[in-house]
Amino acid sequence: EPEVTQTPSHQVTQMGQEVILRCVPISNHLYFYWYRQILGQKVEFLVSFYNNEISEKSEIFDDQFSVERPDGSNFTLKIRSTKLEDSAMYFCASSEEPGTNEKLFFGSGTQLSVL
Amino acid sequence: LAKTTQPISMDSYEGQEVNITCSHNNIATNDYITWYQQFPSQGPRFIIQGYKTKVTNEVASLFIPADRKSSTLSLPRVSLSDTAVYYCLVGDENSGYSTLTFGKGTMLLVSP
Repeated sequence: EPEVTQTPSHQVTQMGQEVILRCVPISNHLYFYWYRQILGQKVEFLVSFYNNEISEKSEIFDDQFSVERPDGSNFTLKIRSTKLEDSAMYFCASSEEPGTNEKLFFGSGTQLSVL
Repeated sequence: LAKTTQPISMDSYEGQEVNITCSHNNIATNDYITWYQQFPSQGPRFIIQGYKTKVTNEVASLFIPADRKSSTLSLPRVSLSDTAVYYCLVGDENSGYSTLTFGKGTMLLVSP
């Protein structure tokens, strides 16, 4: 089965530093997403992306966050100035079509630890 | 609001059939019911999706009654590796997002 791949698997950073989380979505998918999961809590939607622009974003996705598709294969999430509360597992996902009835394929995640 | 309610946890033994029921009283006409599985430190994985009646694949079965206000995920003959969190999701028009909204899920623990 095709996979969404994420790098790195773990990222440790100091508060205030910038981090970039990387994802390679499934090749024929057009819709991309970032979710996060704080330890012991729910999987939370951050942002969806289509046709090189943000489709939707949650209230979590503030000005410190940005997403980009720098080339034909990568999809990145940047946190400009990390805070302690940004510590979480970040999941990238992709789908062929948008919408709540669509099957999302998730990556294995990047565990971000902000010290 | 198509909120879902499912048990917080369930226990089972290897070889047993497990049924996890989810209630979604306010499901909208166009909404499908989708179940995901999540292992620790991994991303959610799609298991099965249905609209009505019964759907079966190589992993599970999904039973949906005619009123669609609930659904039951059935895992036949579970093994230790089925220990995971199982999420029931339906469309959530009032969330403001056209993508998935996860609840807390059901933590299934399979013991030897």
